[in-house]
Amino acid sequence: GQQLNQSPQSMFIQEGEDVSMNCTSSSIFNTWLWYKQDPGEGPVLLIALYKAGELTSNGRLTAQFGITRKDSFLNISASIPSDVGIYFCAGLNQAGTALIFGKGTTLSVSS
Amino acid sequence: DTEVTQTPKHLVMGMTNKKSLKCEQHMGHRAMYWYKQKAKKPPELMFVYSYEKLSINESVPSRFSPECPNSSLLNLHLHALQPEDSALYLCASSQDPPRDVDRVEKLFFGSGTQLSVL
Repeated sequence: GQQLNQSPQSMFIQEGEDVSMNCTSSSIFNTWLWYKQDPGEGPVLLIALYKAGELTSNGRLTAQFGITRKDSFLNISASIPSDVGIYFCAGLNQAGTALIFGKGTTLSVSS
Repeated sequence: DTEVTQTPKHLVMGMTNKKSLKCEQHMGHRAMYWYKQKAKKPPELMFVYSYEKLSINESVPSRFSPECPNSSLLNLHLHALQPEDSALYLCASSQDPPRDVDRVEKLFFGSGTQLSVL
């Protein structure tokens, strides 16, 4: 079945550093969503991408929809302690019936 | 109001108990979802309700019984659960149900119910 592969699995960075994570698939996706989840909370939508090649920003976050439609990346600039959490990419399954999630990238930020 | 509200936030139950999880949204969304999430894993879809009707059941065991009393409410009735059912149960809603492979509906999640089955 469809799978979304996220990397890296985890990251440990210093406050102020930039972060990059990506999501790839062997299947074509027509939409990519990026979510962040804090411990004990539900995922919160960060960015939605709808067109191949699209580059979208939300504050310090920037995400791009790959030209091949098989990948997407998320960048966080000048990280701060509250950026800590798990970041998930998500896309619609091939049947068009439900959102599926990547395995997540766990981000730790030390001050 | 962009909130999806879930109650209770935490629940501990025995294997013989019957309990219910509740979810509410007042955004006028026409699709509501239940996801199950184990620690350090991604959310996994359980059920989708479209226009108050069950449209997707991802082969979930019958000890989980969803109910959609009206367009704003979604319940998950639990009975005779197993310890391996312990997880974070997330409710979500979207403006429309997923139907167009060219455009994913944005899902808005509640904070979840952390369920422990003893």
